[in-house]
Amino acid sequence: QITLKESGPTLVKPTQTLTLTCIFSGFSLTTNDVGVGWVRQPPGKALEWLALIYWNDAKRYSPSLKRRLTISKDTSNNQVVLTMTNMDPVDTGTYYCAQTSVIAGGNWFGPWGQGTLVTVSS
Amino acid sequence: QSVLTQPPSVSGAPGQRATISCTGSSTNIGAPYDVHWYQQLPGTAPKLLIHGNTNRPSGVPDRFSGSKSGTSASLAINGLQTEDEADYYCQSYDNGLSAWVFGGGTKLTVL
Repeated sequence: QITLKESGPTLVKPTQTLTLTCIFSGFSLTTNDVGVGWVRQPPGKALEWLALIYWNDAKRYSPSLKRRLTISKDTSNNQVVLTMTNMDPVDTGTYYCAQTSVIAGGNWFGPWGQGTLVTVSS
Repeated sequence: QSVLTQPPSVSGAPGQRATISCTGSSTNIGAPYDVHWYQQLPGTAPKLLIHGNTNRPSGVPDRFSGSKSGTSASLAINGLQTEDEADYYCQSYDNGLSAWVFGGGTKLTVL
């Protein structure tokens, strides 16, 4: 059974850096074609893809947020970490991590973690 | 504005059929990249419902089906049940943006 769980601060101040951790089980990030992605969802709004890291340490970022995002993995501890700099109130939302795989026709995401709500406010 | 366009809401009576459209362009669905669908029940995380345009993961009822044609895709739900009330999102890859993209979401109401 594959599970993922996000953790991190529930409240950050504007201009601070957000660090989120995704701890997963049931798969390994050393397995070919496997990856972990991050997706966020502002309250009442749509899903937005943020970043993705693959088993071979290849990393992909949302073009609109690339300057602010860093994704990394700790394969020995089954963790993926996402950092987002210069947080703003518009970054408030629920942040999800999800497993993904390299698929010729285009990756899908799943299973998903339960999500963690991050509020940006002074 | 989402890259993939979905109707904000659809509704149907129990037992009826509902369809949700997802319209893209030549850089995503028409490229052609696959379309995937997610169900998000109130207060929960998204769940993969359809992958690769038409494929249901294990455990997804066959009342749910997906299709794709040209630059659009559709999710059909037959035999609507009250527990199908949720937000539904389509997702694909866009090679113009070099990004995975989601639709704006559709709220399904079962009347």
